[in-house]
Amino acid sequence: DAGVIQSPRHEVTEMGQEVTLRCKPISGHNSLFWYRQTMMRGLELLIYFNNNVPIDDSGMPEDRFSAKMPNASFSTLKIQPSEPRDSAVYFCASRLSGANVLTFGAGSRLTVL
Amino acid sequence: GQQLNQSPQSMFIQEGEDVSMNCTSSSIFNTWLWYKQDPGEGPVLLIALYKAGELTSNGRLTAQFGITRKDSFLNISASIPSDVGIYFCAGQPDMRFGAGTRLTVKP
Repeated sequence: DAGVIQSPRHEVTEMGQEVTLRCKPISGHNSLFWYRQTMMRGLELLIYFNNNVPIDDSGMPEDRFSAKMPNASFSTLKIQPSEPRDSAVYFCASRLSGANVLTFGAGSRLTVL
Repeated sequence: GQQLNQSPQSMFIQEGEDVSMNCTSSSIFNTWLWYKQDPGEGPVLLIALYKAGELTSNGRLTAQFGITRKDSFLNISASIPSDVGIYFCAGQPDMRFGAGTRLTVKP
């Protein structure tokens, strides 16, 4: 199994630009989580999906952030417009619903200038 | 929402020393998980705890699920340089993580 696949691994963009981060969960996993990691705030849960349905998006910082899961094998996290304070590493993780073990992707490092 | 407090924030130790870190929660968990993050990678599961009072070992790592179900600790014995990284606790059901303990091991 290739594990959780995230792209891009690194992105540098200018303030105001739209950013789209992508995630392919492990095949057969039906829960998907998006996290943001910064030095100041640690690993924050942004949103998670069960069976492609958003269950808890209370961690999404503001309306500039949106996440979708159009099918079981793909999810996106979009930031529009991006701001310098959005600079962070964004992780996607997946698991079987009800299971305990989350498997993380390698992360997408975002820098907004 | 649930508050998850992890301590210490960081530790600087000599190779061979033992390490202890812990997590406390504002509410009850039914599962505690401990993850390690190596630089430039995503967190990887080290140990999962499923029952109050449970003590589980994985090599040099030992973790316990507190009796109150609101706390857990992780011990690393005889630390080695490759133990360097950030250690996170997380709890079920909501899979929120503690702030992490950053471990540095000096050879």
